[in-house]
Amino acid sequence: QVHLVESGGGLVKPGGSLRLSCAASGFTFSDYYLSWIRQAPGKGLEWVSYISSSGTTIYYADSVKGRFTISRDNAKNSLYLQMNSLRAEDTAVYYCVRRYFSGWFADYWGQGTVVTVSS
Amino acid sequence: DIQMTQSPSSLSASVGDRVTITCRASQSISDYLNWYQQKPGKAPKLLIYRVSSLQSGVPSRFSGSGSGTGFTLTISSLQPEDIASYYCQQSYSIPPTFGQGTKVEIK
Repeated sequence: QVHLVESGGGLVKPGGSLRLSCAASGFTFSDYYLSWIRQAPGKGLEWVSYISSSGTTIYYADSVKGRFTISRDNAKNSLYLQMNSLRAEDTAVYYCVRRYFSGWFADYWGQGTVVTVSS
Repeated sequence: DIQMTQSPSSLSASVGDRVTITCRASQSISDYLNWYQQKPGKAPKLLIYRVSSLQSGVPSRFSGSGSGTGFTLTISSLQPEDIASYYCQQSYSIPPTFGQGTKVEIK
């Protein structure tokens, strides 16, 4: 079955950097768009970024544009999110999700990794 | 961006009750509306996609309806394991956006 496992979260000071990783299994990784969705403490869900199956199409929410970089390695079945210039408002659980094959919704989610930005 | 508004923000109901959650879009989204369930401390899980299609494994007591700008999620007979927050999400345009969530508790 489909598994998505995030790693790389932690505590970082404002202005610092983190790199999140997501290891995927149970499906043909290179066929699917993948995304990062985050949830701030006690808050709702925000679609942060997505990357197409080939990596040629990428989207960023305005809140992270210019600071975050999404990438993927289809040979390693892995998704990444490089987060630079982190701010307190980036504190959240970050979920790696698989986009449904032909629609803009998330059919599988990882368990999430916690990012805390605090001095 | 399309704004999604859910009501109520929270509700309390008894086991066996029929529960309805409403989601409204700021513009027409046709039938591009999805629902997720998030149990405490867990990742969200896809419940219903394209208004009324149940994701595999989802109990039949869950159903969805609506079109255009107004949608509903119904739990026909609330069970203790349905305690969760429920989120609607539009997939009509990029970026996909979520409602603020509805927390369902047992009375």
